[in-house]
Amino acid sequence: AQSVSQHNHHVILSEAASLELGCNYSYGGTVNLFWYVQYPGQHLQLLLKYFSGDPLVKGIKGFEAEFIKSKFSFNLRKPSVQWSDTAEYFCAVSSFSGGYNKLIFGAGTRLAVHP
Amino acid sequence: DTGVSQDPRHKITKRGQNVTFRCDPISEHNRLYWYRQTLGQGPEFLTYFQNEAQLEKSRLLSDRFSAERPKGSFSTLEIQRTEQGDSAMYLCASSFGKRREVNTEAFFGQGTRLTVV
Repeated sequence: AQSVSQHNHHVILSEAASLELGCNYSYGGTVNLFWYVQYPGQHLQLLLKYFSGDPLVKGIKGFEAEFIKSKFSFNLRKPSVQWSDTAEYFCAVSSFSGGYNKLIFGAGTRLAVHP
Repeated sequence: DTGVSQDPRHKITKRGQNVTFRCDPISEHNRLYWYRQTLGQGPEFLTYFQNEAQLEKSRLLSDRFSAERPKGSFSTLEIQRTEQGDSAMYLCASSFGKRREVNTEAFFGQGTRLTVV
């Protein structure tokens, strides 16, 4: 069965610090990969996605992620975080079986950025 | 707001009561998903509709749960004889995809938070 593992449950950073959130998945076939963000009191929003092509994916708000197939990883990065990045971040994977996007989510990483 | 809307936003019910949630997807989205999220966890897949057809149900969806999507537009999720373990955030998402197209993006609603007391 597919699964997604996020290494850090809670991360605390100061503004301007660099961010890297780990995500590993288990699935042997072709996958689509996603990072979603949930700001306090808001709905899940897509940060970025990887379907194919360049493994370095750029998303909104200065976020990027790198797909490393050999490591089954899709880590999220941002060079300099802002207080407004305080949110919960979810990595998700979907597979091609079934012909639609059934998302399997990790447990999430709660990020707190202090001014 | 033309996003996915869910109603109600919050529901408190007594154990044993039935509850029904509604989801209105983005207009013209033919795919609709229900997920459940409990504290400290990511969303877990419950069920999927392609238009009005329910094509997959998770084993998480016991026989007390039923979902419908009449006419392929809005969807309802009903929980019968609620239990305290049903307390969670119920999320709806929608997307548009052609037959067997998988490179699509799902848009989520704000969810319905259910508390069973």
